[in-house]
Amino acid sequence: DIQMTQSPSSLSASVGDRVTITCRASQSISNYLNWYQQKPGKAPRLLIYVASSLQSGVPSRFSGSGSGTDFTLTISSLQPEDFATYYCQQTYTTPQTFGQGTNLEIK
Amino acid sequence: QVQLQESGPGLVKPSETLSLTCTVSGVSISSHYWNWIRQPPGKGLEWIANIYYSGNTNYNPSLKSRVTISRDASKNQFSLKLNFVTAADTAVYFCARGRRRDGINVGDAFDIWGQGTMVTVSS
Repeated sequence: DIQMTQSPSSLSASVGDRVTITCRASQSISNYLNWYQQKPGKAPRLLIYVASSLQSGVPSRFSGSGSGTDFTLTISSLQPEDFATYYCQQTYTTPQTFGQGTNLEIK
Repeated sequence: QVQLQESGPGLVKPSETLSLTCTVSGVSISSHYWNWIRQPPGKGLEWIANIYYSGNTNYNPSLKSRVTISRDASKNQFSLKLNFVTAADTAVYFCARGRRRDGINVGDAFDIWGQGTMVTVSS
């Protein structure tokens, strides 16, 4: 299986901050990397697919980049509704695997 | 508006079979891949299996010996069966749609999710 490692595992930030979350794959996955946001008690929400494409309806303050093994999710200016857990996912090969999650908390 | 809704027992006894159904509304299941994902309490996400309308399936090797995914096009539903469950199978189970329509699994992403259903394995 391809292992996905996110860093940091948790992060404290303030409204208005620029935040970057990193995801590293254990082998090259081309650009087949997705990002999800999950709030407590809710299903995950797709934010970014194939590394940098913004899902319809997602605010433009979210952006993604990377290819190969290293990827980033950036939130340009944190809003109160952005405090949540973020997961990366590779769909390069089966089994599709997720990172362990990054918990973004209010400072 | 596309919606997915999981249904099934919330409590299953050890060694028995967990059976869940995902009912899809607003779109036919005759396109896209359809997925099951689970999340143990307080933990991360684990992809379980998916199915394409043609019947093509993919399974997580860690669960493959115990899992079956199937679909019923007449009811616009797809289902999951997990045999010989243990406490380690206690989780919220989600169904989700793959955004690609072309039957290609590589590069897919899960764009619409059900709300999830909690399944507890306990005697």
